[in-house]
Amino acid sequence: DQQVKQNSPSLSVQEGRISILNCDYTNSMFDYFLWYKKYPAEGPTFLISISSIKDKNEDGRFTVFLNKSAKHLSLHIVPSQPGDSAVYFCAASARGMDGANSKLTFGKGITLSVRP
Amino acid sequence: GAGVSQSPSNKVTEKGKDVELRCDPISGHTALYWYRQRLGQGLEFLIYFQGNSAPDKSGLPSDRFSAERTGESVSTLTIQRTQQEDSAVYLCASSSPDRVYEQYFGPGTRLTVT
Repeated sequence: DQQVKQNSPSLSVQEGRISILNCDYTNSMFDYFLWYKKYPAEGPTFLISISSIKDKNEDGRFTVFLNKSAKHLSLHIVPSQPGDSAVYFCAASARGMDGANSKLTFGKGITLSVRP
Repeated sequence: GAGVSQSPSNKVTEKGKDVELRCDPISGHTALYWYRQRLGQGLEFLIYFQGNSAPDKSGLPSDRFSAERTGESVSTLTIQRTQQEDSAVYLCASSSPDRVYEQYFGPGTRLTVT
């Protein structure tokens, strides 16, 4: 039962262009969403997050958009750089009333390749 | 400062043996998580420790899996009578009290059960 889905396993874009990574979720209790980036042989690193009370969060070249009605979020990277080539995981959490449990549910990841 | 460290980085064991994986979280991080990633899959939550609260063990796949944490420091994940389906990368993460969702991951332990 995949509660967080990243349906495209890979994406290839030209350097300088926009990368759009998509993520869908099924659990309406999720209220916090994150993107992690992972290089081979390393653990994932936190990239950007968004609360369900917002629909957009921007940090430099990275912007996350949330569409709650569609249960969909996306990560935009612009301009894309070769160093962005990595696996990107979408993750979600259902914090609940007291925010006590922060365990994350992850998608399967998408491999981004940025061509020079 | 030092990040999350895990040992060993690689472990090959025979089916039926017990293994113990170690995680050293970032100092001051009260929350500690164990996840695993099997080939071609996303990260799968296993267990979560938060301060002195009872751990959330809801992700442990069977009673062969257990984990302990000493205070707010080292954690060990133990897998008894390993099976081939236990082969995966086991990842540990920690987070600070004020930013619990920004989890800092270690490099993982790659477990191969033959």
